[in-house]
Amino acid sequence: SSELTQDPAVSVALGQTVRITCQGDSLKSYYANWYQQKPGQAPILVIYNSNNRPSGIPDRFSGSSSGNTASLTITGAQAQDDADYYCNSRDISGSHPDWVFGGGTKLTVL
Amino acid sequence: QVQLQESGPGLVKPSQTLSLTCTVSGGSINSGTYYWSWIRQHPGKGPEWMGYISHSGSTYYNPSLKSRITISVDTSKNQFSLKLSSVTAADTAIYYCARDDFYYIDYWGQGTLVTVSS
Repeated sequence: SSELTQDPAVSVALGQTVRITCQGDSLKSYYANWYQQKPGQAPILVIYNSNNRPSGIPDRFSGSSSGNTASLTITGAQAQDDADYYCNSRDISGSHPDWVFGGGTKLTVL
Repeated sequence: QVQLQESGPGLVKPSQTLSLTCTVSGGSINSGTYYWSWIRQHPGKGPEWMGYISHSGSTYYNPSLKSRITISVDTSKNQFSLKLSSVTAADTAIYYCARDDFYYIDYWGQGTLVTVSS
């Protein structure tokens, strides 16, 4: 199956901008989605179809994509953004489009 | 607002079958073109998609689990279920049920920890 690769950890100063990236062959064919997960909680969808925000997600979260790389940008990071972030997309390597997730990026807001 | 809730034993013995049920509220499992997924997460790891079922009962499984997994749906109860056979300690994880729009997974249950131990 395909893989999605993320940097294990990223840090950002409070109020600054941070970009979290996700690389994988499946991103050439399918959009990336991004999930935020805080300790002891289920993941929450923060970006879908590369650059769309679900209702209720602050507009400081944005997404983009180019080739085999997708990015999640947080503009003006807040303390509550300290969390794990996972990308995912459909997986094209099998006979049916399955789901693949990245290993996650732990974002620390300093 | 759609809500999903997992239920089932939190402890399963090795070689036995893990069984979980997901109850969907705030929407019908029969409506729309959604798929209903099971996803698990080992401690400190990214989520792992296990499989999904459509409202009509069509199933698709992660090839790595295909010989051990069964997902079924009970539309009369607005529930879908997971069975994973021949479990080992490696199946210890948090198990989530989720709604799958095909292009993204938009609603997740709160998750339930299943430990495989004698």
